[in-house]
Amino acid sequence: GAGVSQTPSNKVTEKGKYVELRCDPISGHTALYWYRQSLGQGPEFLIYFQGTGAADDSGLPNDRFFAVRPEGSVSTLKIQRTERGDSAVYLCASSLTGVGANVLTFGAGSRLTVL
Amino acid sequence: AQSVTQLDSHVSVSEGTPVLLRCNYSSSYSPSLFWYVQHPNKGLQLLLKYTSAATLVKGINGFEAEFKKSETSFHLTKPSAHMSDAAEYFCVVIRNYGGSQGNLIFGKGTKLSVKP
Repeated sequence: GAGVSQTPSNKVTEKGKYVELRCDPISGHTALYWYRQSLGQGPEFLIYFQGTGAADDSGLPNDRFFAVRPEGSVSTLKIQRTERGDSAVYLCASSLTGVGANVLTFGAGSRLTVL
Repeated sequence: AQSVTQLDSHVSVSEGTPVLLRCNYSSSYSPSLFWYVQHPNKGLQLLLKYTSAATLVKGINGFEAEFKKSETSFHLTKPSAHMSDAAEYFCVVIRNYGGSQGNLIFGKGTKLSVKP
């Protein structure tokens, strides 16, 4: 597509529920990133995919968070047993290859609210 | 380890006056630095990037930034503010892993307000 598409744009859920957030990167971009932006803060890195594999998942806060990219294109961020502290905007970005060679294009984000 | 510090959480200027958004960086390697802008309900947009070529980098919408190694700074400037410049601005450095580059590290952001 023309840009990075994220769905849903807004998600409200209850504490303890399971949530999936989807990212559709720019066609042909092999690198895909997930970031989390809490209110009043800069985005914080969660995970980086190069193709289908997670090249760096050091930013995932705990084992309730998981992400997949099975065919090297669309990615899904999965959050189990959501907590109120998970409320944030989840940003997805993609680039042609790694971040060093190319800039990242960001999506508009998925705003998650956990009640 | 790499990091960036944005020295002001909020800057307010009048339309037509200069803009200065300050950023200091810390890096063990020659850093790659960026400025991103985030307008309300829109995705982050790249303003400019520094990757060890010219120290004065020109970006979109009249913004520019100067890399100063001696001061470990990468301040963002614009000669004349426009109302449409009101947004959140992020200074960003690439995390290096022993020479190979990884993900982006964002500062906490500076909110720019422009008064008529």
